[in-house]
Amino acid sequence: KAGVTQTPRYLIKTRGQQVTLSCSPISGHRSVSWYQQTPGQGLQFLFEYFSETQRNKGNFPGRFSGRQFSNSRSEMNVSTLELGDSALYLCASSLVPPGQGTGANVLTFGAGSRLTVL
Amino acid sequence: GEDVEQSLFLSVREGDSSVINCTYTDSSSTYLYWYKQEPGAGLQLLTYIFSNMDMKQDQRLTVLLNKKDKHLSLRIADTQTGDSAIYFCAERPMDSSYKLIFGSGTRLLVRP
Repeated sequence: KAGVTQTPRYLIKTRGQQVTLSCSPISGHRSVSWYQQTPGQGLQFLFEYFSETQRNKGNFPGRFSGRQFSNSRSEMNVSTLELGDSALYLCASSLVPPGQGTGANVLTFGAGSRLTVL
Repeated sequence: GEDVEQSLFLSVREGDSSVINCTYTDSSSTYLYWYKQEPGAGLQLLTYIFSNMDMKQDQRLTVLLNKKDKHLSLRIADTQTGDSAIYFCAERPMDSSYKLIFGSGTRLLVRP
C-alpha cells in the first residue's frame, strides 16, 4: 500500500511569496499532522487535522495555515515567506483520530517537502 | 516544560552495539518513540514503548525506559553500515494527540 505522499519534494521561493504544500495520507488514514524541521529548531509541530477540522496547532505565526479535504488530503500554506521559513516540511498520517484510543497511535511520515526561501 | 534531549553524535564500528540515549521532562508522557531519518528522507518509525513498560525488544533493537529518571535508550545490536542515520526520540504527552515532542537527533556513524 502506498505511503504518505508529499508534493512537491523540492521548491525554491523568494521572500514575500507564498507557498502551498500538499500531503496525501495513507489510504484509510484520516488524521494528518504537519511538522517543520530546521537545523536550528529541530522538529516542531505545526498542526493536525481530522475530518477536515484542525484539532491542534503548534506555536507558529498566522502566516502558517492548513486545511484538510473530504478525501483526507491536506495542504499547508505559508504566506509572506521569510528566510527563516526555509525548512523540510513533513507530513504524517495516522489511522486513529487524535486524542482517541489507547494505542500508540503511530504516525507514518512522508519524505517531506524541502522549501528554500531566497 | 517540554524538552527532549539527546547527544548529538555517536560513532561505532560495524558489528558493535550502539546505544543512543535520550532524556525527557514530561512525566505525563504516555508513549515514547524512536524514529530514524536517512539523508533526504522522512522519518521512519523504528519502535515505541508505553510508559508503563521498562523494556521492549524488537529484533536488533532494545528500548530501555527508566521512568523515574525520565531516561530512554535505544540499543542497536550488531550495528551495520546501513544503520548510519540520525535517530530521534520523541515523547507524546498525555493530552497532546499527535503533537510529538522530538529531541534534536543523534547522528550515528558506523565505521566499516
